[in-house]
Amino acid sequence: IAGITQAPTSQILAAGRRMTLRCTQDMRHNAMYWYRQDLGLGLRLIHYSNTAGTTGKGEVPDGYSVSRANTDDFPLTLASAVPSQTSVYFCASSENPGLSLGYTFGSGTRLTVV
Amino acid sequence: AQSVTQLGSHVSVSEGALVLLRCNYSSSVPPYLFWYVQYPNQGLQLLLKYTSAATLVKGINGFEAEFKKSETSFHLTKPSAHMSDAAEYFCAVRGSNYKLTFGKGTLLTVNP
Repeated sequence: IAGITQAPTSQILAAGRRMTLRCTQDMRHNAMYWYRQDLGLGLRLIHYSNTAGTTGKGEVPDGYSVSRANTDDFPLTLASAVPSQTSVYFCASSENPGLSLGYTFGSGTRLTVV
Repeated sequence: AQSVTQLGSHVSVSEGALVLLRCNYSSSVPPYLFWYVQYPNQGLQLLLKYTSAATLVKGINGFEAEFKKSETSFHLTKPSAHMSDAAEYFCAVRGSNYKLTFGKGTLLTVNP
C-alpha cells in the first residue's frame, strides 16, 4: 500500500542524546514535511523540503535538522534532545507544493524525552 | 501570513444529531482550505478540501463544508453523527508559501 512509513513508532530518549526519526514515502511526492503535535497547540511545522536536495525552516525549527538526499527519504534529527521536544512527530508529503491536493500523513512517532 | 481559528476545542453531540465544527481563517491570498480527521493513535486523513471551485464541498463519510468568503469561514457539518465519527478534526489553510497552517483541533465526542 502506497504511503508514508515512519520509524520508530515510539521512543523514550534520555535528555542530551541524539535521535533520528525516519520517514520514507513511496509515492514519488516532491514535497515532504515534518510537524510536531502537542496537546492544545495543534500541528506546527518544523522543517520542509519542496524537492530533493532542498530544505527549509518552518515555524519551530530550533533543535532540529533535516536532510533530503533523495525523493523518498526525509529524516529528522534531534542533535541533543531536551524534554520540551517530547511530542508526537508526523511526517507528511504532497505531490507538488504548488498544487492543492492536500498532504498524506504518516502514522507518527511518539517521542518522550526524559 | 495565514492562520486558522477553530472555535471550540471540544464538541459533544448525541448519535444522530447534527455535527457542526467551526473554522475561521485568515489569509493574504485567496485561500485553499482543508479539513482533516485524526482517529486515536493514527495520522491525519484528508476529509475534504476547497480549492476555489464550488463553495459547498462534499467529503468522505458524509461530511461537507461551505466556504463563505464574507465570513472568512469554512465550517464542517454532517447531518447525523455516528459513533464512528468520534475523533479530532483539524482545519487547515494553505497560504502564499504553499505550506499548510493547521488549527489547534476540535475533539468530537459522540454520545449514544
